[in-house]
Amino acid sequence: GAVVSQHPSWVICKSGTSVKIECRSLDFQATTMFWYRQFPKQSLMLMATSNEGSKATYEQGVEKDKFLINHASLTLSTLTVTSAHPEDSSFYICSARDGAGGTYNEQFFGPGTRLTVL
Amino acid sequence: GENVEQHPSTLSVQEGDSAVIKCTYSDSASNYFPWYKQELGKRPQLIIDIRSNVGEKKDQRIAVTLNKTAKHFSLHITETQPEDSAVYFCAAGGGYQKVTFGTGTKLQVIP
Repeated sequence: GAVVSQHPSWVICKSGTSVKIECRSLDFQATTMFWYRQFPKQSLMLMATSNEGSKATYEQGVEKDKFLINHASLTLSTLTVTSAHPEDSSFYICSARDGAGGTYNEQFFGPGTRLTVL
Repeated sequence: GENVEQHPSTLSVQEGDSAVIKCTYSDSASNYFPWYKQELGKRPQLIIDIRSNVGEKKDQRIAVTLNKTAKHFSLHITETQPEDSAVYFCAAGGGYQKVTFGTGTKLQVIP
């Protein structure tokens, strides 16, 4: 089946620093990737939709200058949390959709990145 | 945009009993309804999905029903086992677009 990896799996950083999270589709080409944020005991909240070669589409209330998304290739999307603050601490999960028309609309999720900002 | 409501938020059942989780959605254009199982600290796993041209789908102990007129869909798990304990999310979306997740149901199967 389709495999999506994320790196790092966890990161601890100081307030004010920037953190980059990578999302890779390992065995398929992902024309679209999604970035979610999940707080403890809550649902997955979509932050943005990332399309290869174009600008990401951000959900209402998500600051695009704070959460920088780059989808430079069909297998890699990155999320950079700039000037991180403690309230940005969360579980960040990406998902990817097979651009070759595989299973209709199924998203394959990465394992997530636990971000802790001190 | 789409709004998905999910009930109940927590559900405890005895091993072997059935569990039912219900979701409603708001956007009549949605035509894809996946269900995910998420264990603590792990990624969501697709367990079953249904498209709007189908009213019911079954996969072993798991079944999903869809009522497009009423805009609701349900997950049914029969003969529950302790390993079914997890958080379950419904979601709704359209075509090749994004999906919106429900608020989640924490299922506990008591041995």
